[in-house]
Amino acid sequence: GQNIDQPTEMTATEGAIVQINCTYQTSGFNGLFWYQQHAGEAPTFLSYNVLDGLEEKGRFSSFLSRSKGYSYLLLKELQMKDSASYLCAVLDSNYQLIWGAGTKLIIKP
Amino acid sequence: ETGVTQTPRHLVMGMTNKKSLKCEQHLGHNAMYWYKQSAKKPLELMFVYNFKEQTENNSVPSRFSPECPNSSHLFLHLHTLQPEDSALYLCASSQDGQGGSGELFFGEGSRLTVL
Repeated sequence: GQNIDQPTEMTATEGAIVQINCTYQTSGFNGLFWYQQHAGEAPTFLSYNVLDGLEEKGRFSSFLSRSKGYSYLLLKELQMKDSASYLCAVLDSNYQLIWGAGTKLIIKP
Repeated sequence: ETGVTQTPRHLVMGMTNKKSLKCEQHLGHNAMYWYKQSAKKPLELMFVYNFKEQTENNSVPSRFSPECPNSSHLFLHLHTLQPEDSALYLCASSQDGQGGSGELFFGEGSRLTVL
């Protein structure tokens, strides 16, 4: 079967750095997405990785290793507004999106 | 108005009621989706429409009935639901249909409670 694993919940301190991991086992790979979802709001697109390496976008970076079936989302200089759920999703060989259950990130002052 | 809008935002219904969820996208996209989001579970794809044609139905019970009258509007008709159908129902759109690698644009969801 296809599977995406990510931690259920993480806690970090304002101003710090946090890394949210995502591992996947899918039938084929056509890219990996990260979405952010604040409580009661729509998920919004953060990043898309299809090649190995690190993609940086402001305070957020996303890393991919296809050989290891692994990605992480790195958030720097954490702000209280970064408290949200972070969803990892993989596009499989049939271009079906396989979703993880999401990681709830709690930021403390 | 821009983006993807869903109505109603909250809905409480009995098991014998009939109700509908509405989704409208103002992005000129060609594909629209219904997802079910339950607490601590992955998003579940329910239906996909490409250019108004249904291209995916992920073994969804017949008590959920989608309708896509045009590429900007999507409905989910609900009847004789079960309490386990209580969840957040998210509508999304994308420029390309299934088979593309474009990002999804989500609405804020309709929170459904079935009593």
